[in-house]
Amino acid sequence: QSALTQPASVSGSPGQSITISCTGTSSDVGAYKYVSWYQQHPGKAPKLMIYEVSNRPSGVPDRFSGSKSGNTASLTISGLQAEDEADYYCSSYTSSSTPWVFGGGTKLTVL
Amino acid sequence: EVQLVESGGGLVQPGGSLRLSCAASGFTFSSYEMNWVRQAPGKGLDWVSYISSSGSTKYYADSVKGRFTISRDNAKNSLYLQMNSLRAEDTAVYYCAREYRSSTSRTFDYWGQGTLVTVSS
Repeated sequence: QSALTQPASVSGSPGQSITISCTGTSSDVGAYKYVSWYQQHPGKAPKLMIYEVSNRPSGVPDRFSGSKSGNTASLTISGLQAEDEADYYCSSYTSSSTPWVFGGGTKLTVL
Repeated sequence: EVQLVESGGGLVQPGGSLRLSCAASGFTFSSYEMNWVRQAPGKGLDWVSYISSSGSTKYYADSVKGRFTISRDNAKNSLYLQMNSLRAEDTAVYYCAREYRSSTSRTFDYWGQGTLVTVSS
């Protein structure tokens, strides 16, 4: 199962908005609502930020939002803050013999 | 408070074995599916293995199939990963992750802090 495709890096200034894409196939992102996004700061464990394409767990700021169109999911962060600088990973359930696949990760830099 | 605490990592020679543990607390462990996810140094997340809540269903990434075995002891609130025939490319931080499932959702909602496995001679 190939990894989902994410841009290696994105950047934005404080207060701006950025969007990270996550492209899969009709066997994963395109087939299921089970797309999630995780935030990972250096040396820390991943933290769930978005699940079921667009739902936010309790405690996650509403600056974080998710969407999906076809085989591509997107994470948008509005009103960028310095603490948003981290790596972001998407994941999707898949119909293959291995149930889960992750994206390669995107490094977000807040300028 | 949900807590997942991994242990058992360390330095092992190629071809060697290691058993990772994940101690769960703060939730009804026997009701949740669990996964192992790893992250090689400087690389992205890589799903490794899944086990159902009862332990009857297991899945593995192709890269570890036949070498790794996932198991759980619901009486001890613990998840395990037996790793045999280890290779240099298995070097990574290994995370246990709880899988939350509802009628409409499936996701990894809680992660442990990870345990580092280094395969090197």
